[in-house]
Amino acid sequence: DIQMTQSPSSLSASVGDRVTITCRASQNISSFLNWYQQKPGKAPNLLIYTASSLQNGVPSRFSGSGSGTDFTLTVSNLQPEDFATYCCQQSYSIPLTFGGGTKVEIK
Amino acid sequence: EVQLVESGGGLVQPGGSLRLSCAASGFTFDDYAMHWVRQAPGKGLEWVSGISWNSGDIGYADSVKGRFTISRDNAKKSLYLLIKSLKADDTALYHCAKGQLGGGPRAAWFDPWGQGTLVTVSS
Repeated sequence: DIQMTQSPSSLSASVGDRVTITCRASQNISSFLNWYQQKPGKAPNLLIYTASSLQNGVPSRFSGSGSGTDFTLTVSNLQPEDFATYCCQQSYSIPLTFGGGTKVEIK
Repeated sequence: EVQLVESGGGLVQPGGSLRLSCAASGFTFDDYAMHWVRQAPGKGLEWVSGISWNSGDIGYADSVKGRFTISRDNAKKSLYLLIKSLKADDTALYHCAKGQLGGGPRAAWFDPWGQGTLVTVSS
C-alpha cells in the first residue's frame, strides 16, 4: 500500500498569512494526488485534484503543486473560513489512501 | 444539485451485520464510479471500497476485504455496502462519495461526499 505522510500535523496561522502543507508519498504516484478540506462535523470538500487542478468553485487562493512523491498545498492570504483540517489522498493505486491530516488553527 | 444521502447505520454487536445505503440525485448516477470512505471518531479518513459505473470493477481496502461487499442499483440510483463480521475497529462514520465519470475505483477523487451514516460496533 502507498503511505501518505503529511506535515505538519497542525499549525497556527493568522488571517492573511500564506500557509504551506506538505504531503509525501511512499512511492512515485505521478500527479495522482488530491487535496480536501474538512471542517468539524462536515463532510470533506475537494479542493485540488491531480496535484494542481483547482476544483470548480474553490477560491483561487488555494493552489497545489508537485509530482512524483512530494506535493504541496498552499493557501495564500488565509481567510477566517480556511481554518480547518486539510488532507491529501493518492489515487495512483488501490487501495486509495489518505494522509493523516493537517489542522490549521487560528494563532 | 448533486446530493448523496446515506442511511442504514446503527449500533450493532461484534460479529453482526448491516447494510448501508446511499441515495443519489442531481447527476446521471449510472455514468459515475462510486465509493465508500469512513472516518473513525477523532481519526483520519480511510477509503473502504469503490465500484465502477457498471459494477464491472470493484476494489476494497485490505482491512475490509472478505467482510464488506459493495454494490449498486443504477435503476434506483443507489449505492450499497453490506458489512459483515463487524469489529470494534469498524466503528466509524461511513460516507458515500461520487467518483470519476465512466471510471472505476482507480484514479479517483471524491466529489461530493454525503454527510455519512454512523456505524457503532459495541456489545
